[in-house]
Amino acid sequence: DVKVTQSSRYLVKRTGEKVFLECVQDMDHENMFWYRQDPGLGLRLIYFSYDVKMKEKGDIPEGYSVSREKKERFSLILESASTNQTSMYLCASSRGTGQGIGETQYFGPGTRLLVL
Amino acid sequence: DQQVKQNSPSLSVQEGRISILNCDYTNSMFDYFLWYKKYPAEGPTFLISISSIKDKNEDGRFTVFLNKSAKHLSLHIVPSQPGDSAVYFCAASGYGQNFVFGPGTRLSVLP
Repeated sequence: DVKVTQSSRYLVKRTGEKVFLECVQDMDHENMFWYRQDPGLGLRLIYFSYDVKMKEKGDIPEGYSVSREKKERFSLILESASTNQTSMYLCASSRGTGQGIGETQYFGPGTRLLVL
Repeated sequence: DQQVKQNSPSLSVQEGRISILNCDYTNSMFDYFLWYKKYPAEGPTFLISISSIKDKNEDGRFTVFLNKSAKHLSLHIVPSQPGDSAVYFCAASGYGQNFVFGPGTRLSVLP
């Protein structure tokens, strides 16, 4: 079974703080993704990565950055948290077969972030 | 503009009856579709997929139908069980594209 873990289930931070969300997968997957989930909007892609040290912007990258120093770990960074970044953050990974990136993604349990 | 739409935010069904969840898309380049199920406080879990070369895929109680000309897919759950109560997301992608997710439909199966 693929396992994707996220470092925290719940986080409360103050406006302006730097926030790190960590994600680890144990199936040697090439691709990793960060989404945020908001009511009525579904899952929106923030950043993704095809390989170590590689990152690509998703649909809503503003206010976020990422780091992938090791294949199994993908970090999401909020440089200066704002209240509109209060959301559920979901990490996912997929195998990466080189046949395109439309592969089944496996999700972590999510981190619910509240920015005050 | 949402490329993947799930126009019913919620749906209630009696236990044992059929649940039908609908999804519409606008991008004709989409050729692979997934359904995910999400319980509260958990990440989405993969349920079933379909590629554009098929119009139907079945896995136990779950069947997905794809109508390419209408750019419409639907998920049928028969018979519905209380444990099926969750939010269901439709997702679509084309070759070389990331998945685009719909806003989700909350299914409640009533005992």
